[in-house]
Amino acid sequence: EADIYQTPRYLVIGTGKKITLECSQTMGHDKMYWYQQDPGMELHLIHYSYGVNSTEKGDLSSESTVSRIRTEHFPLTLESARPSHTSQYLCASSELYWRQIDSPLHFGNGTRLTVT
Amino acid sequence: SQQGEEDPQALSIQEGENATMNCSYKTSINNLQWYRQNSGRGLVHLILIRSNEREKHSGRLRVTLDTSKKSSSLLITASRAADTASYFCATDDGSARQLTFGSGTQLTVLP
Repeated sequence: EADIYQTPRYLVIGTGKKITLECSQTMGHDKMYWYQQDPGMELHLIHYSYGVNSTEKGDLSSESTVSRIRTEHFPLTLESARPSHTSQYLCASSELYWRQIDSPLHFGNGTRLTVT
Repeated sequence: SQQGEEDPQALSIQEGENATMNCSYKTSINNLQWYRQNSGRGLVHLILIRSNEREKHSGRLRVTLDTSKKSSSLLITASRAADTASYFCATDDGSARQLTFGSGTQLTVLP
């Protein structure tokens, strides 16, 4: 198993609350990602980062924001949670393409978010 | 639209049987990867096959790639109950951007 950690594992929160999902990796990977996945469905990329101070939006429009102040840390924040944000959020990391072509993704175990 | 699509969506077999899952994609690729996801967990990388390779083995896993048909298959031989999981293919188009995942095949291996 890869050394990438997500907290909390489960989160139930009311509408309108601000939340931050944490993701940390100890592999020194430059590239990190956030995916959103509904149960039994495909993964949708919502944010990614090439390294410190780099953040990019993915293919799926999201009301969340991310930051990358340290290499190992890539938190995702929802300023005002809504029931439509209920989903599983998966964090992943990999080597930069130019460092290691064909670098696979290493995933955390996810945060299952429920907004009531 | 998604790049990879797995077929079948769900597969149920008896322990000891072989399981075959297929993935089709739409654009040129640099490599294709297979991942496994146990229920409620993150994905785990299984195997990667490059565009210039036709077949690759890893333990009980065998992956084939046919770039002319834009398709790949994952064969799990002598399946075990512990193989029960969702299996996703993901394509890398070589642009150094992100992988594109398919919708997955849910495999159930009955003891």
